[in-house]
Amino acid sequence: AQSVAQPEDQVNVAEGNPLTVKCTYSVSGNPYLFWYVQYPNRGLQFLLKYITGDNLVKGSYGFEAEFNKSQTSFHLKKPSALVSDSALYFCAVRGSSNTGKLIFGQGTTLQVKP
Amino acid sequence: NAGVTQTPKFQVLKTGQSMTLQCAQDMNHNSMYWYRQDPGMGLRLIYYSASEGTTDKGEVPNGYNVSRLNKREFSLRLESAAPSQTSVYFCASLNWGRQGGYEQYFGPGTRLTVT
Repeated sequence: AQSVAQPEDQVNVAEGNPLTVKCTYSVSGNPYLFWYVQYPNRGLQFLLKYITGDNLVKGSYGFEAEFNKSQTSFHLKKPSALVSDSALYFCAVRGSSNTGKLIFGQGTTLQVKP
Repeated sequence: NAGVTQTPKFQVLKTGQSMTLQCAQDMNHNSMYWYRQDPGMGLRLIYYSASEGTTDKGEVPNGYNVSRLNKREFSLRLESAAPSQTSVYFCASLNWGRQGGYEQYFGPGTRLTVT
């Protein structure tokens, strides 16, 4: 069965420090991987995706993610965190069929303190 | 472009009442999805419509029905609301494939409370 795991419910970092939000996946075939961000009382916003190609993908707001096939991971990173990055982050993987269905992790709350 | 819109934004129902959540997209997307979000559980797929004229069950379809009214609109109906359906509901759309970009676009959500 395909699945996504975000092992940390919450990540705390100081402003200006690098941040990492972890994601591991289990999928048959080539993974299509996504990161979304949700600000309070808002819908999900797309950050970045890995479909094929370079293992390091860059996205919106200075975020990037590294695809690691051997470790089945797709961790979200940012070199220097901002207080405004505080939000709920979701990792997702495409389902097995070609219908665009996504399987989401449970989410990680990122708290960036001044 | 309004993107994906949802109505209403908030709703309070009594147990046993029915209601329909509306979703529309103006991006000419083929596929549309309904999710529910509950604390600590991420988003779970309720129903989806891969293309106009088709609908399929997702992970948690019990207690819900859907209608793909046309290419733009995809509604979610609760026939007899239960407290377990208290949640935030999100609609999303997508043009699946290389030209579509693969990522889903989400609406702002409907916060539903069933008492």
